[in-house]
Amino acid sequence: AQTVTQSQPEMSVQEAETVTLSCTYDTSENNYYLFWYKQPPSRQMILVIRQEAYKQQNATENRFSVNFQKAAKSFSLKISDSQLGDTAMYFCAFMKQTGNQFYFGTGTSLTVIP
Amino acid sequence: ETGVTQSPTHLIKTRGQQVTLRCSSQSGHNTVSWYQQALGQGPQFIFQYYREEENGRGNFPPRFSGLQFPNYSSELNVNALELDDSALYLCASSSPGTLAGINEQFFGPGTRLTVL
Repeated sequence: AQTVTQSQPEMSVQEAETVTLSCTYDTSENNYYLFWYKQPPSRQMILVIRQEAYKQQNATENRFSVNFQKAAKSFSLKISDSQLGDTAMYFCAFMKQTGNQFYFGTGTSLTVIP
Repeated sequence: ETGVTQSPTHLIKTRGQQVTLRCSSQSGHNTVSWYQQALGQGPQFIFQYYREEENGRGNFPPRFSGLQFPNYSSELNVNALELDDSALYLCASSSPGTLAGINEQFFGPGTRLTVL
């Protein structure tokens, strides 16, 4: 079974600062994908960034980057230059390479303070 | 390109009733997945439909059922509603064979179901 753990229920950050959200997972799979999704108050889940487990290079999308540590089964999200629009729930998710379903963590509520 | 839409936005039912939720997939997508997101939790996989056939199911009882139509839209039906069925129900559409083989899923805004 796959499990995803987000140990920070709530976090806050000052506007323009940097924040890191933590995620750990447990799996016996060797090939898989990891994702960070953002869910603003509008409820629509939006893909922030994804990482293929076979890639050693950490994924980056503009202000968003990940620190993927495969051996430690850790997948943290770093948000640089935080903006008010980053305020949302952030979910870490896992998908097996041959799978068709996400396994989500319980989420981290991020508030960006002006 | 039309995104994923869901109806209704909100719904209130009483225990024991039946409910049908609807999802229109994004243009060009032939796969729809349904998730249940209880308050304060991450989404939990209910099932997936691919080309009108069920293609995987999570740990949900048989009173959760679904359909996919030839235009790839989908319905989630829940019978004998229980109080614990109160949740946000999300659908996500995808099309196999997209970028790097990842079935990138696009989510709808969800239906908020309240069972009294």
